[in-house]
Amino acid sequence: EADIYQTPRYLVIGTGKKITLECSQTMGHDKMYWYQQDPGMELHLIHYSYGVNSTEKGDLSSESTVSRIRTEHFPLTLESARPSHTSQYLCAGRSAGNTIYFGEGSWLTVV
Amino acid sequence: QKEVEQNSGPLSVPEGAIASLNCTYSDRGSQSFFWYRQYSGKSPELIMFIYSNGDKEDGRFTAQLNKASQYVSLLIRDSQPSDSATYLCAVNRDNQGGKLIFGQGTELSVKP
Repeated sequence: EADIYQTPRYLVIGTGKKITLECSQTMGHDKMYWYQQDPGMELHLIHYSYGVNSTEKGDLSSESTVSRIRTEHFPLTLESARPSHTSQYLCAGRSAGNTIYFGEGSWLTVV
Repeated sequence: QKEVEQNSGPLSVPEGAIASLNCTYSDRGSQSFFWYRQYSGKSPELIMFIYSNGDKEDGRFTAQLNKASQYVSLLIRDSQPSDSATYLCAVNRDNQGGKLIFGQGTELSVKP
């Protein structure tokens, strides 16, 4: 498996705060992804990366940004959190077997 | 039309029965297809993938792919209550660097 690690698992934060959701992997995979999923709803791709210094926006428009300075890390940042950002954020990586594996997710609640 | 479509369910089957989950996709150029299981509050976990037309079996699970009909299905034999979850069909956009696009998922409930 791809061994994707996400922190924090749960975060409650006030409106207007800056937050960064961390995602890391130890397998050296080039391709990584961020998905957003509201409870009981579909998974939507919001960002992806093919490697260092490569990031692209996904199909769902998101006010978040990502960076890929190192292969191992693919953090997602919200500069000014709003209640509409409350959701589950799932990081994923593509293994050498060409399959995508997910981390455990980060549940964000903005109050 | 959504790129990947599934019946949202819920699909209810008795324990021991065969559960049949269906998925259609719109991009005829898609080459690889995945089934994930997601328990409530958890992240998706990969069940199996299929690339070629026909059937692929893994334990109690069988994936079926028909590229001509743009249809992929998942059969779960001898369904167990622990199989109760949402099943997500995903299609790889191989021509776009491998972005995985998900259907809305089918909720399966296996009754004891």
